Amino acid sequence: GAVVSQHPSWVICKSGTSVKIECRSLDFQATTMFWYRQFPKQSLMLMATSNEGSKATYEQGVEKDKFLINHASLTLSTLTVTSAHPEDSSFYICSARDAGGGSGELFFGEGSRLTVL
Amino acid sequence: GDSVTQMEGPVTLSEEAFLTINCTYTATGYPSLFWYVQYPGEGLQLLLKATKADDKGSNKGFEATYRKETTSFHLEKGSVQVSDSAVYFCALNEEGGGGNKLTFGTGTQLKVEL
Repeated sequence: GAVVSQHPSWVICKSGTSVKIECRSLDFQATTMFWYRQFPKQSLMLMATSNEGSKATYEQGVEKDKFLINHASLTLSTLTVTSAHPEDSSFYICSARDAGGGSGELFFGEGSRLTVL
Repeated sequence: GDSVTQMEGPVTLSEEAFLTINCTYTATGYPSLFWYVQYPGEGLQLLLKATKADDKGSNKGFEATYRKETTSFHLEKGSVQVSDSAVYFCALNEEGGGGNKLTFGTGTQLKVEL
């Protein structure tokens, strides 16, 4: 099946620094990608919808200046956590749908674990 | 708002045992329902889905029936294998089958032992 890859799979950073997480669709084009956040033993929460060539759409309560999303091409979306703090530590997951049609299934990346010290 | 409630794990079973993972939902309309599976080190994968009441989704020996009267979508498998060890997520989407805005349950970890 289609593959979505995230990088890095885990990252540790100091408080106040910024961290970029990449989400790539490896064998299909995705006009839309989605970013989720998962806290331990909790659900995946949709943070934002990333649209190729335009601004991302953020869910209520998600700080757009804190979580910068860029979808520069049909195969790459990036999430930058700016001025990270320990409360930003979480598991971030992206997903994408094949723009070429097909079943409309969403394909998920393996996730990126961020730890802010 | 929409919500999905799953049984807490981990669930530990012996190989060839019967599996049930309960899932109930709250939604204002008529959502589509999904089960996703996440194997260790991999992304979530769609396991099965049902788009309307009384539909049964099935895949790889797993089944789930969309029960509108009990607002449930319990996952079952008659005989589990060690390779079924994973985390299972129940989810719903109120925007139709496209699954753009998925509301997930907390996930249930399944461990199958020999």
